[in-house]
Amino acid sequence: DAGVIQSPRHEVTEMGQEVTLRCKPISGHDYLFWYRQTMMRGLELLIYFNNNVPIDDSGMPEDRFSAKMPNASFSTLKIQPSEPRDSAVYFCASTIDGLVAFFGQGTRLTVV
Amino acid sequence: GQSLEQPSEVTAVEGAIVQINCTYQTSGFYGLSWYQQHDGGAPTFLSYNGLDGLEETGRFSSFLSRSDSYGYLLLQELQMKDSASYFCAVRDEDNYGQNFVFGPGTRLSVLP
Repeated sequence: DAGVIQSPRHEVTEMGQEVTLRCKPISGHDYLFWYRQTMMRGLELLIYFNNNVPIDDSGMPEDRFSAKMPNASFSTLKIQPSEPRDSAVYFCASTIDGLVAFFGQGTRLTVV
Repeated sequence: GQSLEQPSEVTAVEGAIVQINCTYQTSGFYGLSWYQQHDGGAPTFLSYNGLDGLEETGRFSSFLSRSDSYGYLLLQELQMKDSASYFCAVRDEDNYGQNFVFGPGTRLSVLP
């Protein structure tokens, strides 16, 4: 398996624009997590899914953020409208056993 | 709530031994993990402790004391490539499912 795949790797957008981040988990992994990493706040859990169902979205900062998992092999994190303070690295991770989380390479988002 | 504490920075020389401590407070607890992250990279799994005691994997060892809500990562025979950030993470099973909560990270600098 190629591991967790995220796209794009880098995204630069203007304030107010919609941004969509994509993630393909490792096949067979039934948990998927979205994290945001900044120098100030470290690794923050935004939302996680179990078997494509959102379980806990209490980490989603505002209504501008939304996440979906239409099937077992694909998830999106959308920010609309984007703001400069959303600039961060967004990681997707998946796990099958709840012991080890496998991370994608991340999407570095810059909102100008 | 959930909180984890780690030292923010540690510096050591090549060949030395360094210990990175982690204390945690969680509502539920099902294990402590350690992850390594190089600059610009993704967190990668190092070790997991579900029970009290020491787990050894090559140059790295991890220890857990559940009664003290404490664990540590021990790195031996330090190499320059060990310069990275190290995160402890708690596998926490809440009312909804299970997720990983990460500590703030410890930046390790290995000097020649």
